Amino acid sequence: AQTVTQSQPEMSVQEAETVTLSCTYDTSESDYYLFWYKQPPSRQMILVIRQEAYKQQNATENRFSVNFQKAAKSFSLKISDSQLGDAAMYFCAYRRWSGGSNYKLTFGKGTLLTVNP
Amino acid sequence: DSGVTQTPKHLITATGQRVTLRCSPRSGDLSVYWYQQSLDQGLQFLIQYYNGEERAKGNILERFSAQQFPDLHSELNLSSLELGDSALYFCASSPRGDRRIGNTIYFGEGSWLTVV
Repeated sequence: AQTVTQSQPEMSVQEAETVTLSCTYDTSESDYYLFWYKQPPSRQMILVIRQEAYKQQNATENRFSVNFQKAAKSFSLKISDSQLGDAAMYFCAYRRWSGGSNYKLTFGKGTLLTVNP
Repeated sequence: DSGVTQTPKHLITATGQRVTLRCSPRSGDLSVYWYQQSLDQGLQFLIQYYNGEERAKGNILERFSAQQFPDLHSELNLSSLELGDSALYFCASSPRGDRRIGNTIYFGEGSWLTVV
C-alpha cells in the first residue's frame, strides 16, 4: 500500500520569506501523480500544485514550486514570498496512475503553516 | 468554486440517528470519492464510485453506506450515529483519467456533521 509521510506537523515563516514543506512517499508503482492541497481555516480543500511522476521537470505555479526527487521518493513544496493568506494546513497527496483508471488520493497527515507578519 | 456541490453544509443530529449526505460531482465527472476528516485524524478515504459502481473501499464502517445514482450524484448514508462520527465529510470527483487534464481530484466544501 502506498503511504505518504509529512514529518513536520507545524512550520512557521515570516511574511515575504520562503518556506519549504517536506513530504516523502512510499510506492512500488512507477507511474503516479503527486499533489499539494491547501486547507485554510474555512476547511475547503484547494489544489495548490500537481506533479506528474513521468515528468522530470519540477512543477511551478506562481509562488509555489516543488522539488520532486523520484529516486528518493521525496516531494517538497516551496512557498516563496510568503503571504498571510498562505497560512493553512498543507496536505501532500499521492495518486496512482494506470492507463486512465481512476484511483483514490492517499494523503499525508498535514503540515500546519503559520505566517507571521 | 470546484464545481463539486455538497449538501447539507452543516448538520447536527443525535446519537443513534441516521443522516444522508448528498454530493453532486463536477459536470461530466464519473468518479466520486468520499473522505472523512475528524479533528484528530487526517483525511480518511471511505469509498469510491465510478459511473455507478463501487470501485474502491477504504476505512468505511459497516454502519455507513454509499451509492452513486444514474445521474452520477452520490449519497453517503450514516446510521446508528455515535459521538465519534462527528467530522467533516468531503465528497470529491474526477473525470476519467487523462494525462492532458492532469488527473486531478476536486473537492467539495464538505458537510459538517455534529453528533450530540
